Amino acid sequence: DAGVIQSPRHEVTEMGQEVTLRCKPISGHNSLFWYRQTMMRGLELLIYFNNNVPIDDSGMPEDRFSAKMPNASFSTLKIQPSEPRDSAVYFCASSPRQGAEGETQYFGPGTRLLVL
Amino acid sequence: QKEVEQNSGPLSVPEGAIASLNCTYSDRGSQSFFWYRQYSGKSPELIMSIYSNGDKEDGRFTAQLNKASQYVSLLIRDSQPSDSATYLCAVMWGGYNKLIFGAGTRLAVHP
Repeated sequence: DAGVIQSPRHEVTEMGQEVTLRCKPISGHNSLFWYRQTMMRGLELLIYFNNNVPIDDSGMPEDRFSAKMPNASFSTLKIQPSEPRDSAVYFCASSPRQGAEGETQYFGPGTRLLVL
Repeated sequence: QKEVEQNSGPLSVPEGAIASLNCTYSDRGSQSFFWYRQYSGKSPELIMSIYSNGDKEDGRFTAQLNKASQYVSLLIRDSQPSDSATYLCAVMWGGYNKLIFGAGTRLAVHP
């Protein structure tokens, strides 16, 4: 398997622009997670989906952030409008199944976002 | 509030020594614990998972869990310069594989 695929790998944009990050989970995995990593705050869970349904979005920083998972093989994280403080590495991860003790999350390569 | 605490380091050890990385967590109900390694500029990758009290060994890595003390550790024997990375402790809670990560400990193995 190709692993979790994220695009783009790097994104530079100007403040106020819309940013869309994309993720393709590992085939057969039914849980998908979006994380943000910064030096100051470490690795933070933004939102996660189970069977394409958002389960917990309490980590989404504000209304400028939204995430969708229209099908089992694709998810997006959108920031509109973007701000410089959104600059971070955004990771997508997927996991095989819910509720099972000790299931591993597999991380994608991340998208490095810089908002000028 | 679910919390996972780690010493940020850096932890510096000579090549060949044992590196000991520690983590404490606040949720007594947690049952699953993970250690991820993250090289600079890369994504986290799983090294070890542990679910029961005691030790679990995998090659040069040993994870130790003490649920009563809410403490989990990772030992790296015969440390190599290639082990230099940030090590993230993660604790699972809830029924949907939700992981809470610590801030990570930076390990530097010098020749």
